Amino acid sequence: DIQMTQSPSSLSASVGDRVTITCQASQDVSNYLNWFQQKPGKAPKLLIYDASNLETGVPSRFSGSGSGTDFTFTISSLQPEDIATYYCQQYHTLPAFGQGTKLEIK
Amino acid sequence: QVQMVESGGGVVQPGRSLRLSCAASGFTFSRYAMHWVRQAPGKGLEWVAIISYDGSHKHYANSVKGRFTISRDNSKNTLYLQMNSLRVEDTAVYYCARPKVGAVFDYWGQGTLVTVSS
Repeated sequence: DIQMTQSPSSLSASVGDRVTITCQASQDVSNYLNWFQQKPGKAPKLLIYDASNLETGVPSRFSGSGSGTDFTFTISSLQPEDIATYYCQQYHTLPAFGQGTKLEIK
Repeated sequence: QVQMVESGGGVVQPGRSLRLSCAASGFTFSRYAMHWVRQAPGKGLEWVAIISYDGSHKHYANSVKGRFTISRDNSKNTLYLQMNSLRVEDTAVYYCARPKVGAVFDYWGQGTLVTVSS
């Protein structure tokens, strides 16, 4: 099974900051890597698919990059409504999620 | 608009069974593979199972293999998860999820809570 490791597990940043989360796969997943945002009590929301494609309707401050085993998710200018937990997920094999990164406002 | 509504959750004793349903609308259900994903309280997301568009192929997470069965009724636009031999560690919110391609989950239900407790 492919293991997904996100870093950091939690993050505190100020409004306007650039925020970066990394995700590492235990083996090559090509570009079959998605990023989700989840707010408390809500279902996850797809933000980025296939490593770098912005889902329709998602603000352009969100972006993703990477391929193979190393991926990066970036918020270019943090907004108050971005407070959430973020998950990466691979689907090169049966789907697997990272453990999540909880983002808080400083 | 696409909508998926889970039901069937509740409190159940260890070793007992429960069947979840996911009623889909707003898209051609029979054209899509469907997944179940769960989330234990305060924990991360865990993929549970997939069923192909026609029900002919199914795969499970190791944690539920042999105990859970995914199925679908395309005439009723409904996805199911039969959960047998439930364990305390199966306590979670269970979501059905639709992939737009592969396992890119673009639509999720609101989730249904399953609590396994004596």
